[in-house]
Amino acid sequence: GESVGLHLPTLSVQEGDNSIINCAYSNSASDYFIWYKQESGKGPQFIIDIRSNMDKRQGQRVTVLLNKTVKHLSLQIAATQPGDSAVYFCAENKGGTASKLTFGTGTRLQVTL
Amino acid sequence: KAGVTQTPRYLIKTRGQQVTLSCSPISGHRSVSWYQQTPGQGLQFLFEYFSETQRNKGNFPGRFSGRQFSNSRSEMNVSTLELGDSALYLCASSLAGEGGELFFGEGSRLTVL
Repeated sequence: GESVGLHLPTLSVQEGDNSIINCAYSNSASDYFIWYKQESGKGPQFIIDIRSNMDKRQGQRVTVLLNKTVKHLSLQIAATQPGDSAVYFCAENKGGTASKLTFGTGTRLQVTL
Repeated sequence: KAGVTQTPRYLIKTRGQQVTLSCSPISGHRSVSWYQQTPGQGLQFLFEYFSETQRNKGNFPGRFSGRQFSNSRSEMNVSTLELGDSALYLCASSLAGEGGELFFGEGSRLTVL
């Protein structure tokens, strides 16, 4: 859900450690998955995406893993930094154009010094 | 390059009124999508416009409507406002909406009293 005013699952990670944020999706027919980061007062920001014909995709400090068997998606952030503190949403495309996304409820990542 | 611009950023209305929100997409982007973000329901897809035509629609009542102009700018309108319409309304643009990154604006925060 929205980052403000809602009790979200929270992941606390020490600066420099790796973070793993998990997401379960609902539709086995979904073929496109995206991770977004939302900082307080801002709109969601694209982090990385993956298509269903892939199991893994890497970006700069981030890796997305897709397990279609159990309908699970994860985002790994290497060497977590204070600037990574935000709410992270997974989103899936269940059909229609790629603009029509179904978002998960979000996970708040807190980076401690 | 300028990002997605939404106006107004904040507004307060009373029940029964109507509201119009505006979105200017990134230059060259032809797809504009609208999302509603609330603490209870999270991020939910409202509709998408491409080349002045509504291409996708979410599960919202007919009080929610939108349009897109020839310069790709978009507006959404909510008529007969209800308390539950209080939310952050986010606009996102993409090149063609068929895949790839959605760029979100910072949103218009609507409060209905």
